[in-house]
Amino acid sequence: DIVLTQSPVLAVSLGQRATISCRASQSVSISSINLMHWYQQKPGQQPKLLIYRASNLASGIPARFSGSGSGTDFTLTIDPVQADDIAAYYCQQSRESPLTFGSGTKLEIK
Amino acid sequence: QVQLKETGPGLVQPTQTLSITCTVSGFSLTSYYMQWVRQTPGKGLEWMGFIRSGGSTEYNSEFKSRLSISRDTSKNQVFLKMNSLKTEDTGVYYCARGFDNWDYWGQGVMVTVSS
Repeated sequence: DIVLTQSPVLAVSLGQRATISCRASQSVSISSINLMHWYQQKPGQQPKLLIYRASNLASGIPARFSGSGSGTDFTLTIDPVQADDIAAYYCQQSRESPLTFGSGTKLEIK
Repeated sequence: QVQLKETGPGLVQPTQTLSITCTVSGFSLTSYYMQWVRQTPGKGLEWMGFIRSGGSTEYNSEFKSRLSISRDTSKNQVFLKMNSLKTEDTGVYYCARGFDNWDYWGQGVMVTVSS
């Protein structure tokens, strides 16, 4: 199985940039397609798609969210961070079955 | 608009079978893959399996021996059935739409496995 590793917690100040990383145990890219996706989950809610295929903004998601990366290393950036962004953020790969998630990064305010 | 809603029993006894229904609206099941994902305290978010737009299925081998996913397109419903439940299966079960990334999710249904 592809294991996705995320740092458990990230603390940032409001208005600053948050950089959340996800490292895969093997490449999740096929040719130029990066099969890594990012979700936001607030307490008591379902996950919400933010970024698909590493760098594509999902419908209705503010442009202060962006994604980058390829191969095994991926990043979700939130710039600037707002109070409403307090949540857990999960990466998910669809390169091979079983599809897997990272353990999540909780974004906290300093 | 697109909506997904899971309905299920809430409480299930160990060794029994879990049955959850995902009722969708705003799109056709024959045009989209439908996923089942669960979130447990022990393992976090776990992909369980999917049913393709054409009706075939694929399962996470972690659950393969006890999981079944099916659908009724006439009722816009997708079904999850999992047998031999254990206390570790306690968690929130979600259905979601999509192939490799999932753009719509249901609100989830909390399932507690306890005697």
